[in-house]
Parts: sequence; C-alpha cells; structure tokens
Amino acid sequence: DIVLTQSPALAVSLGQRATFSCRASQSVSVSRYNLMHWYQQKPGNQPKLLIYRASNLASGIPARFSGSGSGTDFTLTINPVQADDIATYYCQQSRESPWTFGGGTKLELK
Amino acid sequence: QVKLLQSGAALVKPGASVKMSCKVSGYTFTDYWMSWVKQSHGKSLEWIGEIHPNNGATNFNEKFKGKATLTVDKSTTTAYMELSRLTSEDSAIYYCTMATTVVTFAYWGQGTLVTVSS
Repeated sequence: DIVLTQSPALAVSLGQRATFSCRASQSVSVSRYNLMHWYQQKPGNQPKLLIYRASNLASGIPARFSGSGSGTDFTLTINPVQADDIATYYCQQSRESPWTFGGGTKLELK
Repeated sequence: QVKLLQSGAALVKPGASVKMSCKVSGYTFTDYWMSWVKQSHGKSLEWIGEIHPNNGATNFNEKFKGKATLTVDKSTTTAYMELSRLTSEDSAIYYCTMATTVVTFAYWGQGTLVTVSS
C-alpha cells in the first residue's frame, strides 16, 4: 500500500501562510497527472474536497487555498489563514488501490 | 446540487451485523464509483471499498474483505454497506463518498456513527 506521511499539527497566526506537507512512500504521478488530493475536515463534519490532482481547486473553494507537488512530495498552502480554516487537512492518493489517506495535519492558531 | 444522505446512527451488539444506506440526489448515480470510508474516533480515514452502481462491480481494501458487503438499488439511487461480525474495532463513523472522472472522493455523505456495545 502507498503510505502518506503528514505532520500531526501546524500552528500559524491568523493572516499568515500555512504550508502542509504530504510525502508518499512511492510516486503517485502518472504521465502528466499527479494523483494526490487534499481534503479539509472540521470537527463533527465530513471531509470536503479542496484540491484535486495536486493543484486544481475544487468548486467553491477560495483562492487562498493552493496545491503543488509531484512524484512523492506535495504541498497544500493556505494564504492568508482565516479563522474559518481551523480544521484537519488530509492528503489522499488515487495512484494505486487501495486508495489511502495521510494521517492528517491539524491546523492550530498561535 | 449533489447530496448524499446517510442513514442514522446505529447501536449494535458484538457479533451482530449492521446495514447502512446512502441516498444520492442531484447526480447521475450510475455514472461513477461509490466508495465507503471509515473514520475511527479521533483518527484518520480508511478506504473500505467501492461499487459501481451501473453494474455492481466492486473493489475492496484487502483489510475489509469479508467484513463489508456493498450493494446498490438503482431504482432508488441508494447505496448500502453491510458490516458483519461486529466487534468494538468496528465502532466508527462511516462515510459514503462519490467519485468524479478526476477524483475518487468528490462528494461526501454526512456520515453514519456505528457503536458496537453490549
């Protein structure tokens, strides 16, 4: 199985940049497609798709969210961070079944 | 507007089975894979398996083979997951989630909480 590794927590101040990392145990890129996706989950709610295929913003997601990366290293950036962004962020790969998620990074305020 | 409406919470005894549902609207039910995802309390997400509503084809995470059974009813655009031989390890929130052509988990239900307790 492809293992995705995320840091458990990230502390930032409101208005600053938050950078989340996700490292895959093997490449999740195929041809020109980077098969890594990002989700936001607020307490008590279901996950919500933010970014698909590494860098594409899902419908309705604010432009302060962005994604990048290829191969095994991927990044989700929120700039600037707003209070509504406090949540846990998960990466997920669709390169190879079983589809797997990272352990999640909890965004906290400094 | 795409909606996935899941059935309510269930309290079940160890060794029993539970069947939960996921009603889809605002989306062409038979076009895309429907997956189920487990989230144990305070933990990350695990993909259980997927079913294609058009023909009933399924794929499973090896970890959940024999534990989960996936079915669909095209006439009511509803997907079902049955979990068998329940133990405390099966206590979790279970989400249904639908794919699009570009991403596996585009739309999510609100989750069904299953508690296994005597």
